[in-house]
Amino acid sequence: EAQVTQNPRYLITVTGKKLTVTCSQNMNHEYMSWYRQDPGLGLRQIYYSMNVEVTDKGDVPEGYKVSRKEKRNFPLILESPSPNQTSLYFCASSLRENTEAFFGQGTRLTVV
Amino acid sequence: QKEVEQDPGPLSVPEGAIVSLNCTYSNSAFQYFMWYRQYSRKGPELLMYTYSSGNKEDGRFTAQVDKSSKYISLFIRDSQPSDSATYLCAMSGGSNFGNEKLTFGTGTRLTIIP
Repeated sequence: EAQVTQNPRYLITVTGKKLTVTCSQNMNHEYMSWYRQDPGLGLRQIYYSMNVEVTDKGDVPEGYKVSRKEKRNFPLILESPSPNQTSLYFCASSLRENTEAFFGQGTRLTVV
Repeated sequence: QKEVEQDPGPLSVPEGAIVSLNCTYSNSAFQYFMWYRQYSRKGPELLMYTYSSGNKEDGRFTAQVDKSSKYISLFIRDSQPSDSATYLCAMSGGSNFGNEKLTFGTGTRLTIIP
């Protein structure tokens, strides 16, 4: 089954404690991206990757890092989380940027 | 002004009604238009995908694109309670325009009342 898997689904953490949200896809897609979804603001792209070792900033990259060492994995790293990063996060993959995006189930992050 | 505007709703209609959902946009470079459906506590999933202007029909769903007005619509016929979800429009330019990134609307929350 084609899917994008994110972990964890729910996470509560404290300000400043580094965390990683994992994302893995089994469709051999080249393009992967991370979004955050906030009420009234919709889905905003954080970072994206066109292929292995190729990453670039999206619309709201501040406070986040990513890496793409393997084609299937695209982890999102928060080095020093802050309360304004409390949000619902989605990982997505697609063949290209403008083709169908397959989304993970989401990670609800709360930073206290 | 946002590149993509979408009425957040909420929108409540009785079962069996025709639903119309809309988005407007400002970037004339957009060529690819999509509608995603997002159920509560789930990730968005693609519902309709169209290229350039025109209509596309898939079962009870019809997507319309009017590039001259920068306006896209999604129609749902014979609406069912299972259609209750948030509907997100998304659009993208092509590689020729250097604008391939998907830009999403904020979503419209739809409830179908049995």
